[in-house]
Amino acid sequence: QQQVKQSPQSLIVQKGGISIINCAYENTAFDYFPWYQQFPGKGPALLIAIRPDVSEKKEGRFTISFNKSAKQFSLHIMDSQPGDSATYFCAASGGTGGFKTIFGAGTRLFVKA
Amino acid sequence: DTAVSQTPKYLVTQMGNDKSIKCEQNLGHDTMYWYKQDSKKFLKIMFSYNNKELIINETVPNRFSPKSPDKAHLNLHINSLELGDSAVYFCASSHLAGTGQETQYFGPGTRLLVL
Repeated sequence: QQQVKQSPQSLIVQKGGISIINCAYENTAFDYFPWYQQFPGKGPALLIAIRPDVSEKKEGRFTISFNKSAKQFSLHIMDSQPGDSATYFCAASGGTGGFKTIFGAGTRLFVKA
Repeated sequence: DTAVSQTPKYLVTQMGNDKSIKCEQNLGHDTMYWYKQDSKKFLKIMFSYNNKELIINETVPNRFSPKSPDKAHLNLHINSLELGDSAVYFCASSHLAGTGQETQYFGPGTRLLVL
């Protein structure tokens, strides 16, 4: 019940295309859903986050869509650029999770020039 | 001005040795973590300290021992290193831990290779 399932494992997108990464969770007590971006050789860094009281959050080319009833959320990267090539992690925290943030398994995105 | 720093960045050692990794954060956060990232990029939490108190201790071999001398530091000591310990180890810190609005700030990682 504490898992966050992330798909796909890897994704190749043409420059200018839309990248979509999906996550699903079980624990309805989760109330904070961040996405982290990790470039090769670096630590993960917060990209964008959403609370379940909204269905969508947009920051520049990055949008989180949230479906509370389906317990799913997704990251959309519009106009994908080669510089977006990285590993993306969805995560969930809050509620009875206490101090623990649960991370998805990660998606390796490669944007072809 | 690095927010979360780790030393060393690279660590190559022989099986059976004992080694330590150090982590320091200058963000004033009260919660710190150690994660292990394997070759498939999976992030596995190992330990978490809040105000120098151990609050998360996942199923980690007792060869791994964290130590938090103060809120700004969390070190990881590994005894009798094994081949399977080879991975990237990340330190992270956060405030608002447990509030449901936590953002974790990760260090640059320590790449450990056990030969």
